[in-house]
Parts: sequence; structure tokens; C-alpha cells
Amino acid sequence: DTGVSQNPRHKITKRGQNVTFRCDPISEHNRLYWYRQTLGQGPEFLTYFQNEAQLEKSRLLSDRFSAERPKGSFSTLEIQRTEQGDSAMYLCASSSLAGNYNEQFFGPGTRLTVL
Amino acid sequence: DAKTTQPPSMDCAEGRAANLPCNHSTISGNEYVYWYRQIHSQGPQYIIHGLKNNETNEMASLIITEDRKSSTLILPHATLRDTAVYYCIVRSGFNDYKLSFGAGTTVTVRA
Repeated sequence: DTGVSQNPRHKITKRGQNVTFRCDPISEHNRLYWYRQTLGQGPEFLTYFQNEAQLEKSRLLSDRFSAERPKGSFSTLEIQRTEQGDSAMYLCASSSLAGNYNEQFFGPGTRLTVL
Repeated sequence: DAKTTQPPSMDCAEGRAANLPCNHSTISGNEYVYWYRQIHSQGPQYIIHGLKNNETNEMASLIITEDRKSSTLILPHATLRDTAVYYCIVRSGFNDYKLSFGAGTTVTVRA
């Protein structure tokens, strides 16, 4: 399967714990995005990488959130001191600079439940 | 700052065409109309995009009005697998990397 993969698919944690999610984009895609989706809403943009450079962070990304893409390949999203409001689906997408429409390919998401 | 307006839900009979409307009255000249869909428990999937001309691909057709203030996504022969939330998104193309999703239209295809 050459699509975007995310691990884990589900994570249940207790409030105050730290969690880390991983995203493996489509190989050779140099753009990588993180979105968050709560129940009944569309995905909301969190942050974006071009290669290893993090070029934008949404104000939704509080200082408890950090994302990295150390070698311009896979990315991790860490949430420190989780809160119940962090419960959501975390989606990763990737795209290529090639082509004229910059289609984003999404992974299946990581569903986080904070108890 | 929603740029698009879509009906919250619609039903469609299997085998019939599904016509999904979207209003984007504040669209500017360099902004494209994109459509994505999200099947339950999956990530969103790109369907089609257009600037001002009508577009067609293997999944759907996109009809954009001449004034570009609205568009319609057409699924020509809806199947049960087309049941999903459909998002109409306006973005300025290559350099606008974010997708700003609204609440979308929940389409239910019935047998």
C-alpha cells in the first residue's frame, strides 16, 4: 500500500499524559499537513511542512502541541499534558509540488480519546 | 470565515445522478473550487477541482456558474459507496496549501 499511513489508529489516554502520533506520507511527497477533526465538523488545519521545514502553525496548535519532520520524510505530532478537549481525530495528509493542483492525499487518521 | 455554503444533508436514489450545490459568492479571481469527500471512518479524498470551466473526471463533474458564485458537483450514477460527507472548498490554488473545510453536505444514497 503506497498511501499515507498513520499510527496508531486509536489511542486512549488519561488526562495529563503525553501522546505521540506518527505519519508516513506518500514517498517523494515533500509537503505534509496535520489536521484535527472533532465529531460532526470538517477537518481543521493544524500545521504544514515543506520537506523538513515547518512553514505554518495554526493558532489551534497550542504550546502543548509540537510537530516534527526531522528528515523530510515521516512526521510526528506530540501532545503534552493532554486535556479532554484534545479528543479528536488527527489526520495527516501529503502532497507533491509536482502537478498543477496540489491534491492532498489523506491518511486514515489517529483517533485520540482523553479520559 | 467560511467561504462556502452547502446544504447540511441530502438523499439520493441509487443509480440516479446526485447534484450537490455549493455557494461561494465571495470567491476571487484566482481562487479555485475544490471538492473532497469523506467516507465514514476514513480520511478525506480529493474528487475534482475547477477555476471557471466545467470539469469532468472518472468520479464526477463540476459545473461552475459563469459568475463563479456557485457550483454543482454531479455524481452521475450514485452508488451506495458514494454515501459520504462532501466538502466544497475554495482556495487560491498552488500557493494556498491549507484546505479550509466547512461542515459539508452529508449525502446518503439509498437503495
